[in-house]
Amino acid sequence: NAGVTQTPKFQVLKTGQSMTLQCAQDMNHNSMYWYRQDPGMGLRLIYYSASEGTTDKGEVPNGYNVSRLNKREFSLRLESAAPSQTSVYFCASSEGYGSGYEQYFGPGTRLTVT
Amino acid sequence: AQKITQTQPGMFVQEKEAVTLDCTYDTSDQSYGLFWYKQPSSGEMIFLIYQGSYDEQNATEGRYSLNFQKARKSANLVISASQLGDSAMYFCAMREGNRNTGFQKLVFGTGTRLLVSP
Repeated sequence: NAGVTQTPKFQVLKTGQSMTLQCAQDMNHNSMYWYRQDPGMGLRLIYYSASEGTTDKGEVPNGYNVSRLNKREFSLRLESAAPSQTSVYFCASSEGYGSGYEQYFGPGTRLTVT
Repeated sequence: AQKITQTQPGMFVQEKEAVTLDCTYDTSDQSYGLFWYKQPSSGEMIFLIYQGSYDEQNATEGRYSLNFQKARKSANLVISASQLGDSAMYFCAMREGNRNTGFQKLVFGTGTRLLVSP
């Protein structure tokens, strides 16, 4: 099992450009998440998908859109990148909710917007 | 309001010693969960340990244990016999529930950087 995979690993964008970060999991998990990690801020939830066909906003959704393409895949789109979106982006998945569920994280995508 | 507070931006410990990383949380839910994750310099997030709010005993996983004090709302991570490979960022997180949907998500603290010296 690959677990949670993310592409690309690194990306440099110019202000105003768009791009999609891809995430896939092979653990048959129901729930998937996108976080961003900034220095001194910990991880903050951007969007999540409780189950296939549903998505909802997290703490910091502005400037992003998501698509839960199927049970395996959850993509994050930046329509018009801004320097404030320079960050490390993590995708995660979990079996669902309930006692003891844990989130499994992908390796992250380091995005720089100039 | 800060839900998860980690007051130690950095900690130093010598190899083979024990170290405690602090975490306090704020919730009005009766049912919640607390997690610790490790993030080495390579960047991935590694799950370490989980404590449920109704668990009567403190969670342990190998050299990791969670000192859970419910009345004080603290969930400190104790690493016994530190190793050089323990040098990393450590994040405390709380599972937070949505009463309407039942869906739960993690809220993270800002992390503590642990440095283990020989």
